[in-house]
Amino acid sequence: DGGITQSPKYLFRKEGQNVTLSCEQNLNHDAMYWYRQDPGQGLRLIYYSQIVNDFQKGDIAEGYSVSREKKESFPLTVTSAQKNPTAFYLCASSIEGRTSTDTQYFGPGTRLTVL
Amino acid sequence: QQQVKQSPQSLIVQKGGISIINCAYENTAFDYFPWYQQFPGKGPALLIAIRPDVSEKKEGRFTISFNKSAKQFSLHIMDSQPGDSATYFCAARGSSSSNTGKLIFGQGTTLQVKP
Repeated sequence: DGGITQSPKYLFRKEGQNVTLSCEQNLNHDAMYWYRQDPGQGLRLIYYSQIVNDFQKGDIAEGYSVSREKKESFPLTVTSAQKNPTAFYLCASSIEGRTSTDTQYFGPGTRLTVL
Repeated sequence: QQQVKQSPQSLIVQKGGISIINCAYENTAFDYFPWYQQFPGKGPALLIAIRPDVSEKKEGRFTISFNKSAKQFSLHIMDSQPGDSATYFCAARGSSSSNTGKLIFGQGTTLQVKP
């Protein structure tokens, strides 16, 4: 069953702790993305990667870090430097990530709550 | 910063009615305009998309109208059904030479179709 999986579905974190969100895809896509979604706002790009071992900052990268050691995996770490981390986090992937018509497919999301 | 402005923020339509969601963009380098549908607690899914070389695209009950000179595009949902109740996002994307293929999302419209 092909697709994008994100885990966990819900995550609770205490202030000052780092936490890592998992994203895995078996679609053989080269490009992967992390978005943040807040109520009443559109999706905002945190980081993206168009190829293994390479990634670029999106519009709101401060307080986040990523790695892309394997094609199918793109974990996101929310660090203690992120001022307001409570949000719904969405991972996406696409075939190549360069042409404008390259469709992005989204995972089911992880809801992070900082206590 | 490149923007896509979406309206209305929320919309209530009677079953069988027409739902209309509007978006406006600023960057003339955008050349691909997808619409995504998101159900609560799920990731967005591509609904329909259009290139600026056509003024209208129809897929079933969903139609995109595109006005290149006004830099506006809209989603029309004909014969709206309660199952269409979801959040809809417009988005825009340019070629890789202009913005490395990043999707820019509107703020989202929450649609409720009353039975």
